Amino acid sequence: GQQLNQSPQSMFIQEGEDVSMNCTSSSIFNTWLWYKQDPGEGPVLLIALYKAGELTSNGRLTAQFGITRKDSFLNISASIPSDVGIYFCAGQPPGAGGTSYGKLTFGQGTILTVHP
Amino acid sequence: EAQVTQNPRYLITVTGKKLTVTCSQNMNHEYMSWYRQDPGLGLRQIYYSMNVEVTDKGDVPEGYKVSRKEKRNFPLILESPSPNQTSLYFCASSLNPGSNGYTFGSGTRLTVV
Repeated sequence: GQQLNQSPQSMFIQEGEDVSMNCTSSSIFNTWLWYKQDPGEGPVLLIALYKAGELTSNGRLTAQFGITRKDSFLNISASIPSDVGIYFCAGQPPGAGGTSYGKLTFGQGTILTVHP
Repeated sequence: EAQVTQNPRYLITVTGKKLTVTCSQNMNHEYMSWYRQDPGLGLRQIYYSMNVEVTDKGDVPEGYKVSRKEKRNFPLILESPSPNQTSLYFCASSLNPGSNGYTFGSGTRLTVV
């Protein structure tokens, strides 16, 4: 299947720092989604992006849908300890129609650690 | 409370012993899916379902079966589990995966010895 490559794999930052992570693919995607997973829980949707070039914010989080439709990035400003977790990008490939509309591909995840 | 419920949370079994992980959602979602999570590999889609009696393979379907006899339930069946199926499994549901993504359950940690 189509692959999403996330980087970095892990980050160790101080509280208050800004964070940036990205997701790339060799194929185009119709939709980009960003999720956060807290320890012991399932992933939770943070931001959804639907159009190339789209920039969307959710509190201290900002995400962009790349112009080429092959990448997306997520920024977290002024990090706090509760930002700790694993962040995943996810995308729906083009041509997903009918039953394949249920297909959603995830990246490998970025593990974020925030030191107080 | 709107949620996806999967059981059990933890399961240890032996190679070859058939098992079923149950999943239920109370949001009347058409789409349901199973993922497995492994370190360094992220979440990989096993199967998904568009509606009752309609299922399709994800990226890693080998060794798994699913069924969707009712809209709210989507069990994952391992007919003959092997150690390489030791993983963290998530069930998820959605009204519209392409727009809203999936809502995930809390996970089932499976160990096959």
